[in-house]
Amino acid sequence: GESVGLHLPTLSVQEGDNSIINCAYSNSASDYFIWYKQESGKGPQFIIDIRSNMDKRQGQRVTVLLNKTVKHLSLQIAATQPGDSAVYFCAESPNNNDMRFGAGTRLTVKP
Amino acid sequence: NAGVTQTPKFRILKIGQSMTLQCAQDMNHNYMYWYRQDPGMGLKLIYYSVGAGITDKGEVPNGYNVSRSTTEDFPLRLELAAPSQTSVYFCASSLGVGELFFGEGSRLTVL
Repeated sequence: GESVGLHLPTLSVQEGDNSIINCAYSNSASDYFIWYKQESGKGPQFIIDIRSNMDKRQGQRVTVLLNKTVKHLSLQIAATQPGDSAVYFCAESPNNNDMRFGAGTRLTVKP
Repeated sequence: NAGVTQTPKFRILKIGQSMTLQCAQDMNHNYMYWYRQDPGMGLKLIYYSVGAGITDKGEVPNGYNVSRSTTEDFPLRLELAAPSQTSVYFCASSLGVGELFFGEGSRLTVL
């Protein structure tokens, strides 16, 4: 799921399977990270966040993992549902003032 | 609460024209942001503000201006519109560095 180039990486999973979406962030000084979900034609919606003093945080059906050594973030979605189909973005705060977004991954859930 | 309200939702401009995208929030958030999202891409930060009277450049500020005279409003001004500014523009707000609340977006086409 790392985003390079001009198109979104895609991930296709079967309904009920677990999904793992990856993100490489750019700034080693970033200490706060958020995962957002964006459905077609809408603004991004908050899913889960994590601070750099943690390496794992769990929400309802979602888990975020942070590996600061390699500047890598992942979002795990358990028992993926059709309603989870969307574009997922990671965002980092490099200076405690603003949020910078990655390029995103398109998740498609097949029934 | 209406949240974050953006106007207009759609606009077509001719090259060289100017316009202002309006953004208002009623959550008493200090932080406000403007992002642009090109088709199939992630969000790029244009400008942000950490409070009334304070604005800072983001990743892609050229061709845009902002002002923050009140806590509620954060208008984005496009001077001398160019085709490269064709995009979807999202305004967002937050209490501090944390969950961003997004508007529904303003789709701008420059012909």
